[in-house]
Amino acid sequence: QKEVEQNSGPLSVPEGAIASLNCTYSDRGSQSFFWYRQYSGKSPELIMSIYSNGDKEDGRFTAQLNKASQYVSLLIRDSQPSDSATYLCAVKINDMRFGAGTRLTVKP
Amino acid sequence: DAGVIQSPRHEVTEMGQEVTLRCKPISGHDYLFWYRQTMMRGLELLIYFNNNVPIDDSGMPEDRFSAKMPNASFSTLKIQPSEPRDSAVYFCASSTDTSVRYEQYFGPGTRLTVT
Repeated sequence: QKEVEQNSGPLSVPEGAIASLNCTYSDRGSQSFFWYRQYSGKSPELIMSIYSNGDKEDGRFTAQLNKASQYVSLLIRDSQPSDSATYLCAVKINDMRFGAGTRLTVKP
Repeated sequence: DAGVIQSPRHEVTEMGQEVTLRCKPISGHDYLFWYRQTMMRGLELLIYFNNNVPIDDSGMPEDRFSAKMPNASFSTLKIQPSEPRDSAVYFCASSTDTSVRYEQYFGPGTRLTVT
């Protein structure tokens, strides 16, 4: 079992819809969870961090953490074509472990 | 504020040559990380430093790879000799740290091509 798993996609949503990205992790001791956005040919950019169970909202982005079920998700409301990118889930275990990423395409 | 700086941005070299990648972390960050990203393997942690000291180099693929951090503002990743399978994008990232927060900020990366 991989330490951090994501559906590789591609995930395609129409402009204005909600995009839902999911991630599961294997280590119950993990305490820190992150979402990075990576545009093609660019470096990963931190967009959300979450440390406790529940929801954390930042603008159009909401991160959700459920430690009992070992999953973390990212919701993007009112999706825009500029949100088209690969989204990487990262979990601090002993050090940082990244998922393979989910490619999101938002169609105008 | 300046982010993480990496150089060169692109490197093309022939198999067997030595390659040195450079990184300047964000000022005040205690941790520095070297990652490699390929389509096949995704983003892999190679090594990380805390206060200039290497903490975990278990991700370094083999002895051809070495990394140093002589001071708080500079680190190098060296590959000697280079091989075509080393072709990848190499990222440097830095962070501050408490026991919980671990937000890493990435540099623009060095795209390495070994022919």
